Amino acid sequence: GAVVSQHPSWVICKSGTSVKIECRSLDFQATTMFWYRQFPKQSLMLMATSNEGSKATYEQGVEKDKFLINHASLTLSTLTVTSAHPEDSSFYICSASHPNGEANVLTFGAGSRLTVL
Amino acid sequence: AQSVTQPDIHITVSEGASLELRCNYSYGATPYLFWYVQSPGQGLQLLLKYFSGDTLVQGIKGFEAEFKRSQSSFNLRKPSVHWSDAAEYFCAVGAKYNNNDMRFGAGTRLTVKP
Repeated sequence: GAVVSQHPSWVICKSGTSVKIECRSLDFQATTMFWYRQFPKQSLMLMATSNEGSKATYEQGVEKDKFLINHASLTLSTLTVTSAHPEDSSFYICSASHPNGEANVLTFGAGSRLTVL
Repeated sequence: AQSVTQPDIHITVSEGASLELRCNYSYGATPYLFWYVQSPGQGLQLLLKYFSGDTLVQGIKGFEAEFKRSQSSFNLRKPSVHWSDAAEYFCAVGAKYNNNDMRFGAGTRLTVKP
């Protein structure tokens, strides 16, 4: 079945540094991937839609200069948290839709936990 | 705009007991409804979904859910819970052919007592 891999699964960084999180579709090509943020005891909030070969579409209230998304290939999307601060600490999850799968059914990565000191 | 409410943040049941996790949604049109399960350190796994047709849908791992339009609900059930079912459960509502319009509930954490 469809598999989406995220790396790293957890990362700790100092305030002011940048962190890159990768999302890979392992056995299929994904023209579109989605990035979510999940705060403790809260739901997943869609941050942006990552489109291969074009600019990402950001949800209202998400700073695109803060959360850089690159989807340079059909199997890889990256989320870079620039100049991270403690309030950016969160669980980041990506998902993708298999092109041969059922519409609206997404495959999720295992998530990446970011802690900014 | 659509929204999803999971009234129970945390539920504890004994192994072998029945389970029902509540989900209420708000959506202007016919919703696409989903239940996902998330184990610690794992991604979200689809348990079941409702798009149309029979309002009682069967999923993996012995779960089922019933769509009740009159109550705007899509509750998840399992007749006999296993210890391995302990996890976080998310209800979600989406729009047809629009994956970036999916909304998730806050989740219900299930603890299973031996």
